[in-house]
Amino acid sequence: DVKVTQSSRYLVKRTGEKVFLECVQDMDHENMFWYRQDPGLGLRLIYFSYDVKMKEKGDIPEGYSVSREKKERFSLILESASTNQTSMYLCASWRGQGIGEAFFGQGTRLTVV
Amino acid sequence: GIQVEQSPPDLILQEGANSTLRCNFSDSVNNLQWFHQNPWGQLINLFYIPSGTKQNGRLSATTVATERYSLLYISSSQTTDSGVYFCAVEKWSNYQLIWGAGTKLIIKP
Repeated sequence: DVKVTQSSRYLVKRTGEKVFLECVQDMDHENMFWYRQDPGLGLRLIYFSYDVKMKEKGDIPEGYSVSREKKERFSLILESASTNQTSMYLCASWRGQGIGEAFFGQGTRLTVV
Repeated sequence: GIQVEQSPPDLILQEGANSTLRCNFSDSVNNLQWFHQNPWGQLINLFYIPSGTKQNGRLSATTVATERYSLLYISSSQTTDSGVYFCAVEKWSNYQLIWGAGTKLIIKP
């Protein structure tokens, strides 16, 4: 059974904190993605990675960075958390362009206070 | 860029009813997927269907690539089918999925 695992289901952080969201996949997929989802705004792509140590900005990268040191792990970093980063964060994994389906983690609901 | 439109935006049905959800896309694609997001936020892949027809239990999907649309059929709806259904497409070499806004489905007992 394929799996994408996010490190936390719920997270509460203070404004200004550095926040790490971790995502691990066990499918040997090349591509990994971080999205945020807000009511009425759908899924918005923050960053994606198509290989180890490679990263590409998505639609809303401001205030975020990512790290992919190993193929199975893709981390999203909020450098200095702000209240407007309160959201649902979703990690996805996908074999490659045009090939097969994407798989999602269970999501991390982050609240910044 | 490519546009993805889903209809209807909302759908309320009684348990046991059948439904058809539609996804239109504005350009040729090499990948199309249907997802279900449950009330807890988890996104589950239902179908990878860039063309043709697939069935999985009470769910089936058809993509007519030449006419740039896909349909998701749900038969004999159950309350557990409630949630948001998303269509996502990829255009060749883009590395990204482009998402529709979703159809929110509520199944009443």
